[in-house]
This record gives sequence, C-alpha cells and structure tokens, in this order.
Amino acid sequence: NAGVTQTPKFRVLKTGQSMTLLCAQDMNHEYMYWYRQDPGMGLRLIHYSVGEGTTAKGEVPDGYNVSRLKKQNFLLGLESAAPSQTSVYFCASSYSAHEQYFGPGTRLTVT
Amino acid sequence: GENVEQHPSTLSVQEGDSAVIKCTYSDSASNYFPWYKQELGKRPQLIIDIRSNVGEKKDQRIAVTLNKTAKHFSLHITETQPEDSAVYFCAASSNSGNTPLVFGKGTRLSVIA
Repeated sequence: NAGVTQTPKFRVLKTGQSMTLLCAQDMNHEYMYWYRQDPGMGLRLIHYSVGEGTTAKGEVPDGYNVSRLKKQNFLLGLESAAPSQTSVYFCASSYSAHEQYFGPGTRLTVT
Repeated sequence: GENVEQHPSTLSVQEGDSAVIKCTYSDSASNYFPWYKQELGKRPQLIIDIRSNVGEKKDQRIAVTLNKTAKHFSLHITETQPEDSAVYFCAASSNSGNTPLVFGKGTRLSVIA
C-alpha cells in the first residue's frame, strides 16, 4: 500500500508556464483534496472531489483547475503560473469527509 | 461557512512540561474535530480526533477536550518530549456528507531539552 503519492516532488516554473500535479491513492477513497501551504497561512483548500467525475471549489481556487477522471487520481493544473503560486502543495484523500491521509507534498517555485 | 481560529501561533515549553493549544470554531453544525501533526519537511498526520458526542478523548500523553456550548476545543500534550516539536493543526467539519475540513493556521510547538 503506497497510500497517497504525488508527482513531482519539486518543480521550478517560469511565470506564464503551465504544469499539472498528479495525486494518486490506492486506498479506494471517494474524497480527494488539493491544498496549498504557505508560511503562517496553514492549509488552504484549493479544490476537492467527492467522487469520480466530480469537483468543487475550495477556499482559494483562482488560477487552478482540477480533474478527477479516475477514482484513484486527482490532477491539479496551473494554466499560467504566477509567482503568487509559489507554495507547497499537498494532496489528501479520505474514505468519508473526515479523516484525511496526506501525500508527501510538491514544492513549487514560480520565478 | 466554517471559520477556525487557533492559538497560540507559537509555543515553547521545557521538556517534561505540558502544552495546550486552543481552537474555536464558528459553525454550530460542526461535529468532527481532528488534530494533525506536521514535522518539519513532512506531511500532516492525524494524531487524535473527537466527535461532538464526546467531551474528552485521551491517547497516552495526548488528550483533546471539546466544549460545544462555547464552540472551542483544545489539544493537551503532557510530559512533552523533543520529538513533540512540530506544527499542530486543528480542524473542524460537519457530518453533512460532503463538507470538507476547515483547518486552523497552525501552532509551532518547540520542546526545549
């Protein structure tokens, strides 16, 4: 059981470039989440999904898009990266809307 | 929507002392309150949680208390050890199916040996 995995672990982008972060879970969880973590700001929810084919906006969705085409995968896209999107991104999954299991994180720097 | 406030933002204690972190929430419908620990450079991990039908829960040196009337809950760590040094996050959510957790901003706990 790998749990929750994230790809890539690190990435440096130039302003305006695009990229996709991949989250995968092998626990058959219905719920998946994308957070960003910035110093002093805690964990802020970007988008989440309550099942395959569904997505919903969280607290800070602007500048990001997501897709959940397969139950085990949740993709986070940045269409045109901005320096304000420099952050550590965590994916999480859960069986219900409660206990969440986090991935190892992706450290993204936008220059 | 739900709003979770967490205090203090930083906390330093001597090894062996107790540490208390407090959170308040705004939505009276919230009934699930977990605490996560995040060590430096690592992912957040659940350490304890409590549901609204329980006032207190203990797991070895860690305990959580809940006061639904006042809408606040607290994490208590006794006999602190250096390995307790980490950032702790509280969170809250309702049991209404699809409501995700709302996290506090975190408390950085330093245990000084």
